[in-house]
Amino acid sequence: QKEVEQNSGPLSVPEGAIASLNCTYSDRGSQSFFWYRQYSGKSPELIMFIYSNGDKEDGRFTAQLNKASQYVSLLIRDSQPSDSATYLCAVRPNAGNNRKLIWGLGTSLAVNP
Amino acid sequence: EAGVAQSPRYKIIEKRQSVAFWCNPISGHATLYWYQQILGQGPKLLIQFQNNGVVDDSQLPKDRFSAERLKGVDSTLKIQPAKLEDSAVYLCASSPNYNEQFFGPGTRLTVL
Repeated sequence: QKEVEQNSGPLSVPEGAIASLNCTYSDRGSQSFFWYRQYSGKSPELIMFIYSNGDKEDGRFTAQLNKASQYVSLLIRDSQPSDSATYLCAVRPNAGNNRKLIWGLGTSLAVNP
Repeated sequence: EAGVAQSPRYKIIEKRQSVAFWCNPISGHATLYWYQQILGQGPKLLIQFQNNGVVDDSQLPKDRFSAERLKGVDSTLKIQPAKLEDSAVYLCASSPNYNEQFFGPGTRLTVL
């Protein structure tokens, strides 16, 4: 059973701090990794995706992938109250042709003013 | 560019009744997904279409759920009969390339 695990939180950080969200996955052959943000009562929206080991930066967001250790993380710099949401990690396993995503349960982030 | 449209946004029914949800994906997106999301959990894939063909329906409770995507565009998801545990948000998403998935606003279903 392929799994994606996240700490449910809540993770609480002060405004302006760096928020670090982590995700581990069980399928060593996984190829693609996605971070979605979901505000309360809203639908998920894609923040970033990463395929290769290392860091990928987009504005205040940095995704970090370490395939050897089977984890992917999302760093949010200069956290703002508007970043308060649930962050979902999704992984596309290597096997299978349907390319469906395996989703984590999400980490709740609260940024305090 | 218009986003993924879903209707209705909210639905309240009694158990054993039937209900149908509608989704219109972003124009040109070949892949369409229906997810069920229970409060506090990640989305659970119910069914995935590629054009009008089913790619994955392994987690669809086929004794009560059905879905179709006629002509490879709009899709409907039906539940008949509904159970209390079907109370959830039903999300439709579409994708142009198996990478980004664009979600609609969802339909919040309450089964009493």
